[in-house]
Amino acid sequence: EDQVTQSPEALRLQEGESSSLNCSYTVSGLRGLFWYRQDPGKGPEFLFTLYSAGEEKEKERLKATLTKKESFLHITAPKPEDSATYLCAVQANFDKLVFGAGTILRVKS
Amino acid sequence: GAGVSQSPSNKVTEKGKDVELRCDPISGHTALYWYRQRLGQGLEFLIYFQGNSAPDKSGLPSDRFSAERTGESVSTLTIQRTQQEDSAVYLCASSLSRGAEQYFGPGTRLTVT
Repeated sequence: EDQVTQSPEALRLQEGESSSLNCSYTVSGLRGLFWYRQDPGKGPEFLFTLYSAGEEKEKERLKATLTKKESFLHITAPKPEDSATYLCAVQANFDKLVFGAGTILRVKS
Repeated sequence: GAGVSQSPSNKVTEKGKDVELRCDPISGHTALYWYRQRLGQGLEFLIYFQGNSAPDKSGLPSDRFSAERTGESVSTLTIQRTQQEDSAVYLCASSLSRGAEQYFGPGTRLTVT
Protein backbone atom coordinates (compact mmCIF):
# COMPACT_ATOMS: atom_id res chain seq x y z
CA GLU A 1 0.00 0.00 0.00
CA ASP A 2 1.31 3.46 -0.94
CA GLN A 3 2.09 5.62 2.10
CA VAL A 4 3.26 9.16 2.72
CA THR A 5 4.54 10.46 6.08
CA GLN A 6 5.28 14.12 6.64
CA SER A 7 7.34 15.61 9.44
CA PRO A 8 7.24 17.60 11.54
CA GLU A 9 3.48 17.90 12.09
CA ALA A 10 3.94 21.58 12.95
CA LEU A 11 6.83 24.00 12.65
CA ARG A 12 7.22 27.49 14.07
CA LEU A 13 9.90 29.72 12.56
CA GLN A 14 11.00 33.26 13.03
CA GLU A 15 10.99 35.40 9.92
CA GLY A 16 14.25 34.75 8.08
CA GLU A 17 14.93 31.42 9.85
CA SER A 18 15.45 28.82 7.12
CA SER A 19 14.34 25.21 7.59
CA SER A 20 13.17 22.06 5.79
CA LEU A 21 10.03 19.95 5.73
CA ASN A 22 10.29 16.21 5.17
CA CYS A 23 8.11 13.85 3.15
CA SER A 24 8.92 10.14 3.36
CA TYR A 25 7.13 7.76 1.02
CA THR A 26 6.71 4.14 0.06
CA VAL A 27 5.12 3.55 -3.31
CA SER A 28 5.14 0.83 -5.91
CA GLY A 29 6.51 2.64 -8.90
CA LEU A 30 6.65 6.40 -8.33
CA ARG A 31 5.27 8.39 -11.26
CA GLY A 32 5.46 11.76 -9.54
CA LEU A 33 5.77 13.47 -6.18
CA PHE A 34 3.72 16.63 -5.68
CA TRP A 35 3.95 19.49 -3.21
CA TYR A 36 0.92 21.66 -2.46
CA ARG A 37 0.30 24.62 -0.18
CA GLN A 38 -3.05 24.89 1.60
CA ASP A 39 -4.31 28.03 3.34
CA PRO A 40 -7.12 27.78 5.92
CA GLY A 41 -10.52 27.35 4.30
CA LYS A 42 -9.08 26.94 0.80
CA GLY A 43 -8.22 24.12 -1.54
CA PRO A 44 -4.60 23.01 -2.03
CA GLU A 45 -2.51 25.16 -4.36
CA PHE A 46 -0.06 23.36 -6.64
CA LEU A 47 3.63 24.12 -6.06
CA PHE A 48 5.90 21.48 -7.63
CA THR A 49 6.07 18.10 -9.31
CA LEU A 50 9.22 15.97 -9.05
CA TYR A 51 9.63 12.86 -11.16
CA SER A 52 13.01 11.29 -10.47
CA ALA A 53 15.64 11.05 -7.74
CA GLY A 54 18.07 13.94 -7.85
CA GLU A 55 15.57 16.36 -9.36
CA GLU A 56 15.21 19.82 -7.80
CA LYS A 57 12.72 22.63 -8.43
CA GLU A 58 12.62 26.16 -7.05
CA LYS A 59 10.00 28.85 -6.70
CA GLU A 60 10.77 32.05 -4.82
CA ARG A 61 11.85 31.01 -1.30
CA LEU A 62 10.93 27.34 -1.80
CA LYS A 63 13.07 24.52 -3.16
CA ALA A 64 11.90 20.92 -3.46
CA THR A 65 14.27 17.97 -3.75
CA LEU A 66 13.71 14.26 -4.28
CA THR A 67 15.52 11.05 -3.35
CA LYS A 68 14.38 7.46 -3.77
CA LYS A 69 12.76 7.46 -0.31
CA GLU A 70 11.94 11.05 0.57
CA SER A 71 11.45 14.61 -0.54
CA PHE A 72 12.40 17.83 1.20
CA LEU A 73 10.82 21.23 0.90
CA HIS A 74 13.44 23.78 1.85
CA ILE A 75 12.25 27.23 2.88
CA THR A 76 14.90 29.95 2.72
CA ALA A 77 14.45 33.15 4.75
CA PRO A 78 10.69 32.61 5.22
CA LYS A 79 8.22 35.45 5.57
CA PRO A 80 4.92 35.48 7.51
CA GLU A 81 3.02 35.05 4.23
CA ASP A 82 4.64 31.62 3.84
CA SER A 83 2.53 30.43 6.78
CA ALA A 84 0.30 27.60 5.54
CA THR A 85 -0.07 23.84 5.59
CA TYR A 86 2.27 22.15 3.15
CA LEU A 87 1.04 18.86 1.67
CA CYS A 88 3.08 16.17 -0.04
CA ALA A 89 1.48 13.57 -2.32
CA VAL A 90 2.68 10.67 -4.47
CA GLN A 91 1.22 9.34 -7.68
CA ALA A 92 1.78 5.73 -8.65
CA ASN A 93 -0.54 5.08 -11.56
CA PHE A 94 -0.99 8.39 -13.38
CA ASP A 95 -4.22 8.99 -11.54
CA LYS A 96 -5.06 9.42 -7.89
CA LEU A 97 -2.76 11.15 -5.44
CA VAL A 98 -1.93 9.67 -2.02
CA PHE A 99 -1.43 12.51 0.44
CA GLY A 100 0.43 12.89 3.68
CA ALA A 101 -1.21 14.61 6.65
CA GLY A 102 0.72 17.81 6.04
CA THR A 103 3.06 20.12 7.95
CA ILE A 104 1.56 23.26 9.48
CA LEU A 105 4.09 26.08 9.11
CA ARG A 106 3.85 29.29 11.15
CA VAL A 107 6.31 32.11 10.46
CA LYS A 108 6.36 34.92 13.01
CA SER A 109 7.68 38.39 12.32
CA GLY B 1 -8.68 31.69 -16.69
CA ALA B 2 -11.28 30.40 -14.26
CA GLY B 3 -10.22 27.77 -11.78
CA VAL B 4 -12.14 24.80 -10.41
CA SER B 5 -15.37 25.87 -8.75
CA GLN B 6 -17.47 23.99 -6.24
CA SER B 7 -20.90 24.52 -4.78
CA PRO B 8 -22.21 24.93 -2.23
CA SER B 9 -19.26 26.23 -0.20
CA ASN B 10 -20.94 25.08 3.01
CA LYS B 11 -23.68 22.54 3.61
CA VAL B 12 -25.31 21.65 6.92
CA THR B 13 -27.64 18.67 6.82
CA GLU B 14 -29.42 16.39 9.21
CA LYS B 15 -28.34 12.81 9.67
CA GLY B 16 -30.15 10.56 7.22
CA LYS B 17 -30.68 13.19 4.52
CA ASP B 18 -29.16 13.01 1.03
CA VAL B 19 -26.79 15.70 -0.24
CA GLU B 20 -25.42 16.64 -3.66
CA LEU B 21 -22.12 18.43 -4.13
CA ARG B 22 -21.18 20.01 -7.45
CA CYS B 23 -17.86 20.54 -9.18
CA ASP B 24 -17.09 22.60 -12.31
CA PRO B 25 -13.61 21.69 -13.57
CA ILE B 26 -11.24 23.90 -15.53
CA SER B 27 -12.35 24.04 -19.15
CA GLY B 28 -10.48 21.51 -21.27
CA HIS B 29 -9.38 19.35 -18.36
CA THR B 30 -10.18 15.73 -19.13
CA ALA B 31 -9.50 14.28 -15.68
CA LEU B 32 -11.58 15.02 -12.58
CA TYR B 33 -11.05 13.80 -9.03
CA TRP B 34 -12.95 13.91 -5.74
CA TYR B 35 -11.15 13.84 -2.39
CA ARG B 36 -12.32 14.06 1.21
CA GLN B 37 -10.41 15.94 3.93
CA ARG B 38 -11.35 15.29 7.53
CA LEU B 39 -10.27 17.82 10.15
CA GLY B 40 -6.53 17.67 10.73
CA GLN B 41 -6.02 14.87 8.22
CA GLY B 42 -4.64 14.50 4.73
CA LEU B 43 -6.75 14.25 1.61
CA GLU B 44 -8.41 10.88 0.96
CA PHE B 45 -9.10 9.84 -2.63
CA LEU B 46 -12.72 9.04 -3.45
CA ILE B 47 -13.27 8.74 -7.22
CA TYR B 48 -11.59 9.62 -10.53
CA PHE B 49 -13.03 10.31 -13.99
CA GLN B 50 -10.94 10.32 -17.17
CA GLY B 51 -12.67 11.22 -20.41
CA ASN B 52 -15.18 8.58 -21.44
CA SER B 53 -13.48 5.76 -19.54
CA ALA B 54 -15.20 3.97 -16.67
CA PRO B 55 -14.54 5.90 -13.45
CA ASP B 56 -12.16 4.58 -10.78
CA LYS B 57 -14.47 4.22 -7.77
CA SER B 58 -11.95 2.42 -5.59
CA GLY B 59 -11.86 5.15 -2.93
CA LEU B 60 -15.59 5.42 -2.25
CA PRO B 61 -16.04 4.46 1.43
CA SER B 62 -19.50 2.89 1.08
CA ASP B 63 -22.35 2.39 -1.36
CA ARG B 64 -23.97 5.52 0.07
CA PHE B 65 -21.46 7.49 -1.99
CA SER B 66 -21.80 7.90 -5.76
CA ALA B 67 -20.64 10.36 -8.40
CA GLU B 68 -21.44 11.23 -11.97
CA ARG B 69 -19.77 13.31 -14.61
CA THR B 70 -21.33 14.71 -17.76
CA GLY B 71 -18.79 14.27 -20.55
CA GLU B 72 -15.74 16.37 -19.66
CA SER B 73 -17.80 18.86 -17.73
CA VAL B 74 -19.62 19.13 -14.43
CA SER B 75 -19.48 16.41 -11.79
CA THR B 76 -21.85 15.71 -8.91
CA LEU B 77 -20.96 13.76 -5.77
CA THR B 78 -24.00 12.36 -3.98
CA ILE B 79 -24.05 11.08 -0.43
CA GLN B 80 -27.19 9.23 0.57
CA ARG B 81 -28.45 8.78 4.13
CA THR B 82 -25.69 10.99 5.53
CA GLN B 83 -23.96 10.00 8.76
CA GLN B 84 -22.03 12.17 11.21
CA GLU B 85 -18.76 10.57 10.10
CA ASP B 86 -19.40 12.02 6.62
CA SER B 87 -18.67 15.49 8.01
CA ALA B 88 -15.60 16.75 6.18
CA VAL B 89 -14.44 19.06 3.41
CA TYR B 90 -15.04 17.55 -0.01
CA LEU B 91 -12.51 18.73 -2.58
CA CYS B 92 -12.67 18.44 -6.34
CA ALA B 93 -9.64 18.65 -8.61
CA SER B 94 -9.09 18.57 -12.35
CA SER B 95 -6.06 18.02 -14.54
CA LEU B 96 -5.32 18.59 -18.20
CA SER B 97 -4.60 14.92 -18.74
CA ARG B 98 -3.97 11.72 -16.86
CA GLY B 99 -0.87 12.12 -14.67
CA ALA B 100 -0.65 15.91 -14.95
CA GLU B 101 -0.74 18.16 -11.91
CA GLN B 102 -4.15 18.46 -10.30
CA TYR B 103 -5.74 21.83 -9.60
CA PHE B 104 -8.14 21.98 -6.68
CA GLY B 105 -11.34 23.85 -6.04
CA PRO B 106 -12.09 25.61 -2.74
CA GLY B 107 -14.06 22.64 -1.40
CA THR B 108 -17.48 22.09 0.13
CA ARG B 109 -17.59 21.91 3.92
CA LEU B 110 -20.23 19.34 4.87
CA THR B 111 -21.54 19.20 8.41
CA VAL B 112 -23.94 16.42 9.38
CA THR B 113 -25.87 17.14 12.57
